[in-house]
Amino acid sequence: AQRVTQPEKLLSVFKGAPVELKCNYSYSGSPELFWYVQYSRQRLQLLLRHISRESIKGFTADLNKGETSFHLKKPFAQEEDSAMYYCALQETYGQNFVFGPGTRLSVLP
Amino acid sequence: KAGVTQTPRYLIKTRGQQVTLSCSPISGHRSVSWYQQTPGQGLQFLFEYFSETQRNKGNFPGRFSGRQFSNSRSEMNVSTLELGDSALYLCASSLRRPSSEQYFGPGTRLTVT
Repeated sequence: AQRVTQPEKLLSVFKGAPVELKCNYSYSGSPELFWYVQYSRQRLQLLLRHISRESIKGFTADLNKGETSFHLKKPFAQEEDSAMYYCALQETYGQNFVFGPGTRLSVLP
Repeated sequence: KAGVTQTPRYLIKTRGQQVTLSCSPISGHRSVSWYQQTPGQGLQFLFEYFSETQRNKGNFPGRFSGRQFSNSRSEMNVSTLELGDSALYLCASSLRRPSSEQYFGPGTRLTVT
């Protein structure tokens, strides 16, 4: 069965430090991978997806099929990046979404 | 455009009762998915509806059911409520399927006592 893991429940970094939120997946097909973010008192929203290969709010994520990873990175963390981050996998042909357990990022001043 | 709306926002029910939650997708969106979010299990997929048909179903018991209307609005129903059904129920809509961009509603917080 497909699975998404995020090893860190909580990640604390200082403002200006680099941040990397880890995501690993297991899926036999060719998945689509996403990062969703939930800021305090806001709705869950899409941050970025691997097929668009874009940078959103300074965040990037590279799909590494060999390591089955999709880590989220930002070179200089900002306090407003503090939020809950979920890695998600969509099965081939638009099937189910599977979300990871989430990592709470706390950026300290 | 108005975002995804869910009603009610909060609900308290007693074990054994049933409950119906409603979701109105973004105008023009035809796919609606439902998720259950709990501290222990995280976000779990319940089911997806598209053009009034259930297209996918997660690993939940038959007590959880849903439907979609011709205007794409969706309802989910949970019968014979159990304490473990206490959760935040999220609805997400997409323009089409397969679609990789889901827009989430604020959720309905269900508490079962």
